[in-house]
Amino acid sequence: DSGVTQTPKHLITATGQRVTLRCSPRSGDLSVYWYQQSLDQGLQFLIHYYNGEERAKGNILERFSAQQFPDLHSELNLSSLELGDSALYFCASSLALNTEAFFGQGTRLTVV
Amino acid sequence: AQTVTQSQPEMSVQEAETVTLSCTYDTSESDYYLFWYKQPPSRQMILVIRQEAYKQQNATENRFSVNFQKAAKSFSLKISDSQLGDAAMYFCAYRSFDAGGTSYGKLTFGQGTILTVHP
Repeated sequence: DSGVTQTPKHLITATGQRVTLRCSPRSGDLSVYWYQQSLDQGLQFLIHYYNGEERAKGNILERFSAQQFPDLHSELNLSSLELGDSALYFCASSLALNTEAFFGQGTRLTVV
Repeated sequence: AQTVTQSQPEMSVQEAETVTLSCTYDTSESDYYLFWYKQPPSRQMILVIRQEAYKQQNATENRFSVNFQKAAKSFSLKISDSQLGDAAMYFCAYRSFDAGGTSYGKLTFGQGTILTVHP
């Protein structure tokens, strides 16, 4: 157990819908990263938050947004979902910018 | 931008034997971190080993060791005495050391290598 908790573990939804994925980092970790893992794109960095502030953006679509709350948990919001958004979404956390990142078990999103 | 390439989509090894997974990367930075992550069927991403680019000594963690060739930008993972539990997808990853850059902290992954261990 990495100490990073992601909910839900599985999510099935229809095209055009909106979902929210939640991540609770390890206790004390200030950084939260979101990654998308799909068959065609592999593991792609989406976005990074550090202590509540957005630090870096990767290949994140405009339909996607994220935030990190004062208690340091983070949410990834995916809207106007398309079939191609079906993927495994990982959250990872680290204490600081230069320390190990620990991954949650991921949320498997299926868009039908 | 940094890129990571794993040229072996699949590898197999007999139990108790040794296998080496390859990884090359491209970067203009002189300081960085390299990692190998393991993803078993449970989907959990598990850190196997890390290497700091400024360290010449190759990292070792029990049965896992790396061969880090900085000039060649090569970072291979050797698994000795392979066990059935080593069967997984293995990812090589790069992390920037540039504290002032926006890439700092994020991981850039290779495409992964599926390792099968035969009893």
